[in-house]
Amino acid sequence: RKEVEQDPGPFNVPEGATVAFNCTYSNSASQSFFWYRQDCRKEPKLLMSVYSSGNEDGRFTAQLNRASQYISLLIRDSKLSDSATYLCVVTSYGNNRLAFGKGNQVVVIP
Amino acid sequence: DAGVTQSPTHLIKTRGQHVTLRCSPISGHKSVSWYQQVLGQGPQFIFQYYEKEERGRGNFPDRFSARQFPNYSSELNVNALLLGDSALYLCASSSIDRRYTFGSGTRLTVV
Repeated sequence: RKEVEQDPGPFNVPEGATVAFNCTYSNSASQSFFWYRQDCRKEPKLLMSVYSSGNEDGRFTAQLNRASQYISLLIRDSKLSDSATYLCVVTSYGNNRLAFGKGNQVVVIP
Repeated sequence: DAGVTQSPTHLIKTRGQHVTLRCSPISGHKSVSWYQQVLGQGPQFIFQYYEKEERGRGNFPDRFSARQFPNYSSELNVNALLLGDSALYLCASSSIDRRYTFGSGTRLTVV
């Protein structure tokens, strides 16, 4: 089983709509959780950290469910500029590496 | 301030050759990590170095090696290149808060 699993999509979203997707992680000892955004042929960039209480950054909301070992990202009022791949990332205590999922590809359609 | 810089940006090599990729971290960052991203996949961890010592190694063959220099820059070396080594190689630097910033990567094509 992969450490981080994501449904790659693509997720075709009309402009202005809401899109949500999850990722699951296999290591119950996982400690820190992030969403990264990656544009085509570019490097990943940190979008937001994910906290147990849930957190929001503008149109983006992230949730963590430790009991079920999944992380979610919701994008409201989608913009054309939101088209990208969203990578779910997990780290574990004492482990010096980021474990990435395959990414969720989002295409916002005019 | 300069971000993470990687060189070269693109590279074409022949099977069996070796390659050296370079990374300069953000000023003040002492940790450098290397990742391989094959098309359609998420980045996979290769190595992490901190204060010139290897602190982590991913599931990659011994053909892959790395080192970190006193100025915290780093090199990734790959010997006996295979077609499957074609990928985007990403370097990330991090400070004590463990927030990672990636460079724009080196796109390696093995033919």
